[in-house]
Amino acid sequence: DAKTTQPPSMDCAEGRAANLPCNHSTISGNEYVYWYRQIHSQGPQYIIHGLKNNETNEMASLIITEDRKSSTLILPHATLRDTAVYYCIVRVGDKIIFGKGTRLHILP
Amino acid sequence: EPEVTQTPSHQVTQMGQEVILRCVPISNHLYFYWYRQILGQKVEFLVSFYNNEISEKSEIFDDQFSVERPDGSNFTLKIRSTKLEDSAMYFCASQDTFANTGELFFGEGSRLTVL
Repeated sequence: DAKTTQPPSMDCAEGRAANLPCNHSTISGNEYVYWYRQIHSQGPQYIIHGLKNNETNEMASLIITEDRKSSTLILPHATLRDTAVYYCIVRVGDKIIFGKGTRLHILP
Repeated sequence: EPEVTQTPSHQVTQMGQEVILRCVPISNHLYFYWYRQILGQKVEFLVSFYNNEISEKSEIFDDQFSVERPDGSNFTLKIRSTKLEDSAMYFCASQDTFANTGELFFGEGSRLTVL
């Protein structure tokens, strides 16, 4: 089972920052936090991952709390194309286990 | 940009028939995966494959399912004697590096419809 808790859905206005929270209170010291998204029924798409430090790439930023029990994915300037289900995943071993994710609606 | 490709994109089959779903992972990748997603449900892990053998499989991956990498490029999922409940999107994924620090690249999926 997934080791994360996410809100089932969120809304965000187009052009604003989308902040998606995730709780992973049982995470172990060597387990990474991964974020993927799935647009409609397409294959899941990797966004970002991190262990302890905050991470940023061309798609998003990942903020991990100091105790590592929660994290936030930030899409800095959301567009309509960012409408998708976003999955926060604590990776155990070599596989990714998906939970139900957060359905993000970008509002025009 | 390199990508994982899957064929067919959609297959319709009769219950009880055998189905083979094919995947071409990214060329230098070493770890391979199959996932499925029943309509409206979450993406479920089926099996991981490394060094020509299954490294892990879920409870879903029973004797009805098998995987192989017959020619060093294709990675196939075979479903023997399909059932109605096998109708789903099947996603292949691959990764280049070991374990929990790499990125899984997913294909666009094969939709299986069992009638």
